[in-house]
Amino acid sequence: QKEVEQDPGPLSVPEGAIVSLNCTYSNSAFQYFMWYRQYSRKGPELLMYTYSSGNKEDGRFTAQVDKSSKYISLFIRDSQPSDSATYLCAMTYNTNAGKSTFGDGTTLTVKP
Amino acid sequence: EAQVTQNPRYLITVTGKKLTVTCSQNMNHEYMSWYRQDPGLGLRQIYYSMNVEVTDKGDVPEGYKVSRKEKRNFPLILESPSPNQTSLYFCASTLTGASNQPQHFGDGTRLSIL
Repeated sequence: QKEVEQDPGPLSVPEGAIVSLNCTYSNSAFQYFMWYRQYSRKGPELLMYTYSSGNKEDGRFTAQVDKSSKYISLFIRDSQPSDSATYLCAMTYNTNAGKSTFGDGTTLTVKP
Repeated sequence: EAQVTQNPRYLITVTGKKLTVTCSQNMNHEYMSWYRQDPGLGLRQIYYSMNVEVTDKGDVPEGYKVSRKEKRNFPLILESPSPNQTSLYFCASTLTGASNQPQHFGDGTRLSIL
Protein backbone atom coordinates (compact mmCIF):
# COMPACT_ATOMS: atom_id res chain seq x y z
CA GLN A 1 0.00 0.00 0.00
CA LYS A 2 1.27 3.45 -0.89
CA GLU A 3 1.95 5.89 1.91
CA VAL A 4 0.16 8.65 0.02
CA GLU A 5 -2.92 8.10 -2.12
CA GLN A 6 -4.24 10.84 -4.36
CA ASP A 7 -7.56 10.99 -6.21
CA PRO A 8 -6.48 9.91 -9.68
CA GLY A 9 -8.61 12.06 -11.93
CA PRO A 10 -8.47 13.33 -14.58
CA LEU A 11 -10.78 16.15 -13.63
CA SER A 12 -12.50 18.43 -16.14
CA VAL A 13 -14.52 21.43 -14.96
CA PRO A 14 -15.99 24.57 -16.52
CA GLU A 15 -14.37 27.92 -15.88
CA GLY A 16 -15.51 29.43 -12.59
CA ALA A 17 -16.14 26.09 -10.87
CA ILE A 18 -14.87 25.21 -7.42
CA VAL A 19 -12.34 22.39 -7.58
CA SER A 20 -11.50 19.97 -4.79
CA LEU A 21 -8.31 17.89 -4.95
CA ASN A 22 -7.70 15.29 -2.27
CA CYS A 23 -5.04 13.05 -0.76
CA THR A 24 -5.03 10.53 2.04
CA TYR A 25 -2.00 9.19 3.84
CA SER A 26 -1.28 6.30 6.13
CA ASN A 27 1.71 7.42 8.20
CA SER A 28 0.86 9.74 11.09
CA ALA A 29 4.55 10.76 11.26
CA PHE A 30 4.08 13.12 8.32
CA GLN A 31 4.26 16.66 9.64
CA TYR A 32 4.48 18.99 6.64
CA PHE A 33 2.03 19.03 3.77
CA MET A 34 2.53 20.66 0.41
CA TRP A 35 0.76 21.06 -2.88
CA TYR A 36 2.74 21.40 -6.07
CA ARG A 37 1.43 22.41 -9.48
CA GLN A 38 3.02 20.92 -12.57
CA TYR A 39 2.37 22.33 -16.01
CA SER A 40 2.99 20.19 -19.07
CA ARG A 41 6.71 19.82 -19.85
CA LYS A 42 7.65 21.64 -16.66
CA GLY A 43 8.85 20.69 -13.22
CA PRO A 44 6.58 20.86 -10.16
CA GLU A 45 6.38 24.25 -8.45
CA LEU A 46 5.25 24.83 -4.89
CA LEU A 47 1.72 26.15 -4.58
CA MET A 48 0.80 25.80 -0.91
CA TYR A 49 2.52 24.61 2.24
CA THR A 50 0.96 23.82 5.63
CA TYR A 51 2.11 22.37 8.90
CA SER A 52 -0.81 22.03 11.27
CA SER A 53 -4.37 20.84 10.90
CA GLY A 54 -6.75 23.51 9.66
CA ASN A 55 -7.08 25.76 6.65
CA LYS A 56 -4.60 28.01 4.91
CA GLU A 57 -5.76 30.43 2.26
CA ASP A 58 -3.82 32.13 -0.52
CA GLY A 59 -5.92 34.00 -3.03
CA ARG A 60 -8.19 31.52 -4.80
CA PHE A 61 -6.44 28.55 -3.22
CA THR A 62 -7.20 26.96 0.16
CA ALA A 63 -5.24 24.08 1.62
CA GLN A 64 -6.93 22.00 4.27
CA VAL A 65 -5.29 19.45 6.55
CA ASP A 66 -7.09 17.04 8.86
CA LYS A 67 -4.41 15.07 10.71
CA SER A 68 -6.94 13.06 12.69
CA SER A 69 -8.37 11.65 9.45
CA LYS A 70 -5.03 11.71 7.61
CA TYR A 71 -6.64 13.66 4.84
CA ILE A 72 -5.59 16.78 2.97
CA SER A 73 -7.36 18.84 0.33
CA LEU A 74 -6.70 21.69 -2.02
CA PHE A 75 -9.64 23.87 -3.04
CA ILE A 76 -9.52 26.18 -6.03
CA ARG A 77 -12.23 28.84 -6.22
CA ASP A 78 -13.29 30.55 -9.44
CA SER A 79 -11.12 28.18 -11.45
CA GLN A 80 -9.45 29.57 -14.57
CA PRO A 81 -8.13 27.89 -17.74
CA SER A 82 -4.64 28.82 -16.50
CA ASP A 83 -5.22 26.47 -13.55
CA SER A 84 -5.14 23.52 -15.96
CA ALA A 85 -2.21 21.42 -14.74
CA THR A 86 -1.34 18.35 -12.72
CA TYR A 87 -1.52 18.87 -8.96
CA LEU A 88 0.70 16.83 -6.67
CA CYS A 89 0.34 16.51 -2.95
CA ALA A 90 3.54 15.94 -0.99
CA MET A 91 4.38 15.22 2.63
CA THR A 92 7.50 15.15 4.73
CA TYR A 93 8.57 13.84 8.10
CA ASN A 94 9.96 16.19 10.71
CA THR A 95 13.59 15.33 9.94
CA ASN A 96 16.47 16.82 8.03
CA ALA A 97 16.40 14.17 5.36
CA GLY A 98 14.67 16.60 3.05
CA LYS A 99 12.76 13.88 1.30
CA SER A 100 9.15 14.35 0.31
CA THR A 101 6.69 11.57 -0.42
CA PHE A 102 4.48 12.50 -3.35
CA GLY A 103 1.04 11.48 -4.50
CA ASP A 104 0.66 10.37 -8.11
CA GLY A 105 -0.99 13.62 -9.15
CA THR A 106 -4.40 14.71 -10.38
CA THR A 107 -4.66 16.27 -13.81
CA LEU A 108 -7.11 19.16 -13.94
CA THR A 109 -8.54 20.77 -17.07
CA VAL A 110 -10.55 23.96 -16.76
CA LYS A 111 -12.60 24.61 -19.88
CA PRO A 112 -13.41 28.17 -20.96
CA GLU B 1 16.76 34.31 -11.94
CA ALA B 2 16.76 31.51 -9.39
CA GLN B 3 16.61 28.21 -11.19
CA VAL B 4 17.53 24.56 -11.43
CA THR B 5 18.85 23.66 -14.87
CA GLN B 6 18.91 20.15 -16.26
CA ASN B 7 20.56 18.94 -19.45
CA PRO B 8 19.70 17.38 -21.76
CA ARG B 9 15.92 17.87 -21.79
CA TYR B 10 15.39 14.87 -24.04
CA LEU B 11 17.59 11.89 -24.81
CA ILE B 12 17.06 8.69 -26.74
CA THR B 13 19.84 6.15 -26.35
CA VAL B 14 20.51 2.44 -26.36
CA THR B 15 20.94 -0.14 -23.64
CA GLY B 16 24.39 -0.17 -22.05
CA LYS B 17 25.64 3.17 -23.32
CA LYS B 18 26.74 5.25 -20.33
CA LEU B 19 25.05 8.61 -19.96
CA THR B 20 25.10 11.56 -17.61
CA VAL B 21 22.31 14.01 -16.90
CA THR B 22 23.60 17.26 -15.49
CA CYS B 23 21.87 19.40 -12.87
CA SER B 24 22.95 22.85 -11.75
CA GLN B 25 21.35 25.31 -9.31
CA ASN B 26 22.22 28.97 -8.80
CA MET B 27 20.60 29.46 -5.39
CA ASN B 28 23.50 28.28 -3.20
CA HIS B 29 21.29 25.46 -1.92
CA GLU B 30 22.88 22.78 0.22
CA TYR B 31 20.39 19.99 -0.49
CA MET B 32 19.87 18.47 -3.92
CA SER B 33 18.05 15.36 -5.07
CA TRP B 34 17.02 13.36 -8.10
CA TYR B 35 13.54 11.97 -8.74
CA ARG B 36 12.01 9.88 -11.45
CA GLN B 37 8.38 10.30 -12.40
CA ASP B 38 6.44 7.36 -13.83
CA PRO B 39 2.71 7.00 -14.53
CA GLY B 40 0.92 5.44 -11.58
CA LEU B 41 4.03 5.60 -9.42
CA GLY B 42 4.40 9.33 -8.92
CA LEU B 43 7.69 10.99 -8.06
CA ARG B 44 10.20 8.68 -6.42
CA GLN B 45 13.51 9.80 -5.00
CA ILE B 46 16.62 8.20 -6.51
CA TYR B 47 19.49 9.86 -4.62
CA TYR B 48 19.98 12.94 -2.53
CA SER B 49 22.88 15.05 -1.30
CA MET B 50 22.93 17.03 1.93
CA ASN B 51 26.06 18.95 0.88
CA VAL B 52 29.31 18.68 -1.05
CA GLU B 53 30.71 15.11 -0.93
CA VAL B 54 27.68 13.92 1.07
CA THR B 55 25.26 11.70 -0.85
CA ASP B 56 22.83 8.95 0.08
CA LYS B 57 20.35 6.59 -1.50
CA GLY B 58 16.72 7.42 -1.91
CA ASP B 59 13.94 4.94 -2.59
CA VAL B 60 15.00 3.66 -6.02
CA PRO B 61 18.82 3.98 -6.33
CA GLU B 62 19.54 0.77 -8.27
CA GLY B 63 21.29 1.41 -11.58
CA TYR B 64 22.16 5.02 -10.79
CA LYS B 65 25.17 6.90 -9.47
CA VAL B 66 25.60 10.48 -8.35
CA SER B 67 28.40 12.77 -7.29
CA ARG B 68 28.54 16.13 -5.54
CA LYS B 69 31.95 17.70 -6.05
CA GLU B 70 30.65 21.25 -6.16
CA LYS B 71 27.73 22.79 -4.32
CA ARG B 72 25.90 23.88 -7.45
CA ASN B 73 26.17 20.66 -9.48
CA PHE B 74 24.64 17.23 -8.91
CA PRO B 75 24.95 14.98 -11.97
CA LEU B 76 23.03 11.73 -12.35
CA ILE B 77 24.98 8.91 -13.97
CA LEU B 78 23.57 5.81 -15.62
CA GLU B 79 26.60 3.53 -16.10
CA SER B 80 24.74 0.86 -18.08
CA PRO B 81 21.23 2.10 -18.87
CA SER B 82 18.43 -0.40 -19.33
CA PRO B 83 14.91 0.01 -20.77
CA ASN B 84 13.34 0.04 -17.29
CA GLN B 85 15.13 3.33 -16.69
CA THR B 86 13.07 4.99 -19.38
CA SER B 87 11.38 7.75 -17.44
CA LEU B 88 11.03 11.47 -16.76
CA TYR B 89 13.75 12.66 -14.38
CA PHE B 90 13.71 15.72 -12.17
CA CYS B 91 16.47 17.37 -10.21
CA ALA B 92 15.44 19.43 -7.18
CA SER B 93 17.14 21.59 -4.58
CA THR B 94 16.32 23.17 -1.22
CA LEU B 95 18.25 25.62 0.92
CA THR B 96 18.94 22.92 3.53
CA GLY B 97 17.48 19.49 4.13
CA ALA B 98 14.95 20.76 6.67
CA SER B 99 11.52 19.29 6.10
CA ASN B 100 9.71 22.61 6.17
CA GLN B 101 11.39 23.87 3.03
CA PRO B 102 9.89 23.55 -0.44
CA GLN B 103 11.84 21.99 -3.23
CA HIS B 104 12.75 23.83 -6.42
CA PHE B 105 12.54 21.58 -9.44
CA GLY B 106 14.17 21.65 -12.82
CA ASP B 107 12.04 21.24 -15.93
CA GLY B 108 12.85 17.57 -16.33
CA THR B 109 14.81 15.25 -18.58
CA ARG B 110 12.92 12.69 -20.60
CA LEU B 111 15.07 9.61 -21.13
CA SER B 112 14.22 6.80 -23.52
CA ILE B 113 16.42 3.71 -23.35
CA LEU B 114 15.94 1.38 -26.32
